[in-house]
Amino acid sequence: GAGVSQTPSNKVTEKGKYVELRCDPISGHTALYWYRQSLGQGPEFLIYFQGTGAADDSGLPNDRFFAVRPEGSVSTLKIQRTERGDSAVYLCASSHQGPHTEAFFGQGTRLTVV
Amino acid sequence: LAKTTQPISMDSYEGQEVNITCSHNNIATNDYITWYQQFPSQGPRFIIQGYKTKVTNEVASLFIPADRKSSTLSLPRVSLSDTAVYYCLVGDIRDNYGQNFVFGPGTRLSVLP
Repeated sequence: GAGVSQTPSNKVTEKGKYVELRCDPISGHTALYWYRQSLGQGPEFLIYFQGTGAADDSGLPNDRFFAVRPEGSVSTLKIQRTERGDSAVYLCASSHQGPHTEAFFGQGTRLTVV
Repeated sequence: LAKTTQPISMDSYEGQEVNITCSHNNIATNDYITWYQQFPSQGPRFIIQGYKTKVTNEVASLFIPADRKSSTLSLPRVSLSDTAVYYCLVGDIRDNYGQNFVFGPGTRLSVLP
């Protein structure tokens, strides 16, 4: 596609529910990143994929967060037992090579846990 | 892991040149310097990247002194649409550790009419 696409753009869920956030990277980009951003803060790193494997998942805050990229393109960020503190904008980015090469970000998914 | 320091905010007027300086005293030999721009309700957008001296593209210039302990993003003749947050990042482009792809709080630039 023309750019990184994230769906849904907005998601409201109740505390304790499970949510999935989807990211469609730019075709051919092997590197994919997930970040989350709270109001007034810079993006916070969550996980980085090279191809199908998670090269670095050190940013995932706890075991309620999980991400997959089974075919090396689309990725899904999964959050179990959501908490109000999970409310943020979740950003996905992709790049042709690894970190610190030019990365392209999606518009983000605004998650609100009520 | 090189840490960066930027001013929290800056104000400017339309038509002026804006220079945003980033300090990165612990920059490593193989680290590159990259700047991103973020508008409200959008993801960050790559602006420019450099290693040393000066880099220029259609959007901005990046000045890096010989010691590389700082860098300056220069935006010529800003307009209201340049109001955004600007992030400076430092890292090795060969590095395969995503945790090093770190954004700080950035510099909030406000362009006034």
